[in-house]
Amino acid sequence: AQRVTQPEKLLSVFKGAPVELKCNYSYSGSPELFWYVQYSRQRLQLLLRHISRESIKGFTADLNKGETSFHLKKPFAQEEDSAMYYCALTQGGSEKLVFGKGTKLTVNP
Amino acid sequence: NAGVTQTPKFRILKIGQSMTLQCTQDMNHNYMYWYRQDPGMGLKLIYYSVGAGITDKGEVPNGYNVSRSTTEDFPLRLELAAPSQTSVYFCASSYSGLMGVYNEQFFGPGTRLTVL
Repeated sequence: AQRVTQPEKLLSVFKGAPVELKCNYSYSGSPELFWYVQYSRQRLQLLLRHISRESIKGFTADLNKGETSFHLKKPFAQEEDSAMYYCALTQGGSEKLVFGKGTKLTVNP
Repeated sequence: NAGVTQTPKFRILKIGQSMTLQCTQDMNHNYMYWYRQDPGMGLKLIYYSVGAGITDKGEVPNGYNVSRSTTEDFPLRLELAAPSQTSVYFCASSYSGLMGVYNEQFFGPGTRLTVL
């Protein structure tokens, strides 16, 4: 069965510090991995996807198939990065998403 | 564009009552979804639809029904509310045109439902 694990419920860093939100997955095929974000009082929205290999708001994520991980990283955290972050996967071509439980990131001034 | 809208925002139900959660999108998306999110948990797919007249079960469909008579609307029906259905419900939509290509899902603001 497909599963997404985000081991940290809460993560707190200071402004300017590096941040890494962990995501591990279990899936036997070739998944597509995503990070969704929900800022306070806003809707859940797509942050980035692994196939586009892009950097959004300074965040990057690399798919490591050997370690079945898709960690989200940013070298210098900003206060506006405070939000709930959800890792999700889907089978290639499927529109059904499987979500992790989420990590609440707090960036302190 | 309003995107994905959901009504109501909040609702309290008594055990055994019924209700319909409304979801509408104005982006002409063919795919629509219903998720539930329990406290401290990730979103779980209840039902989804690939187009008008076509629906299918997700991971947690028991206790719910859906219909999709138009492209825009995808209501979720709770027939006999139970405390286990206390949750936040999210509707989402996406456009899927190319096989093998995943497209971004756009989410509504959510409906917070409490069953007492």
